[in-house]
Amino acid sequence: SQQGEEDPQALSIQEGENATMNCSYKTSINNLQWYRQNSGRGLVHLILIRSNEREKHSGRLRVTLDTSKKSSSLLITASRAADTASYFCATALMNRDDKIIFGKGTRLHILP
Amino acid sequence: DAGVTQSPTHLIKTRGQQVTLRCSPISGHKSVSWYQQVLGQGPQFIFQYYEKEERGRGNFPDRFSARQFPNYSSELNVNALLLGDSALYLCASHRGDTGELFFGEGSRLTVL
Repeated sequence: SQQGEEDPQALSIQEGENATMNCSYKTSINNLQWYRQNSGRGLVHLILIRSNEREKHSGRLRVTLDTSKKSSSLLITASRAADTASYFCATALMNRDDKIIFGKGTRLHILP
Repeated sequence: DAGVTQSPTHLIKTRGQQVTLRCSPISGHKSVSWYQQVLGQGPQFIFQYYEKEERGRGNFPDRFSARQFPNYSSELNVNALLLGDSALYLCASHRGDTGELFFGEGSRLTVL
């Protein structure tokens, strides 16, 4: 079963605009991670935020975590054509680091 | 350093057959996880192994089994294949200190 649910399922924006994707999850977590996948290939780790952190930055990426609402957001600023991909949130359950669960993903398309 | 390697990259089987997929993690990583990804969906957790022991199991039938070897490589076996087993099978190598997953490019299984 899916622990995380991304929203929206699909997103199309113009190059240069910012893209925001959201993730909601159901149970307490140790950390939340975001991954990118290009065209059915392997997933690439983008950023990890721990349950005691509220915001994290990495280059053009900004991730927030609200444990009271069990939600996270991923912001990609100044989008580029190369950002076109599927984005997944993944949660490591509290006391169960052996099981990292992925959501269904957001398909992001950057229009030229 | 080499990344996560998986073999074979593509394979075609018929219903009822058996398949073995192989994974070599990043050097120094002692834990691997297996995921099944059906087209358009997020990766579904199948197994996690750490130091040759099963640490976690997802909601998959007993037709799915796995093992990890002393060199930390791993095999995923699926018996009595069904059409619904057609998917991309992903292996992930765990970075122990951060919890990040590093994925291989996957094995794409088609069951006819």
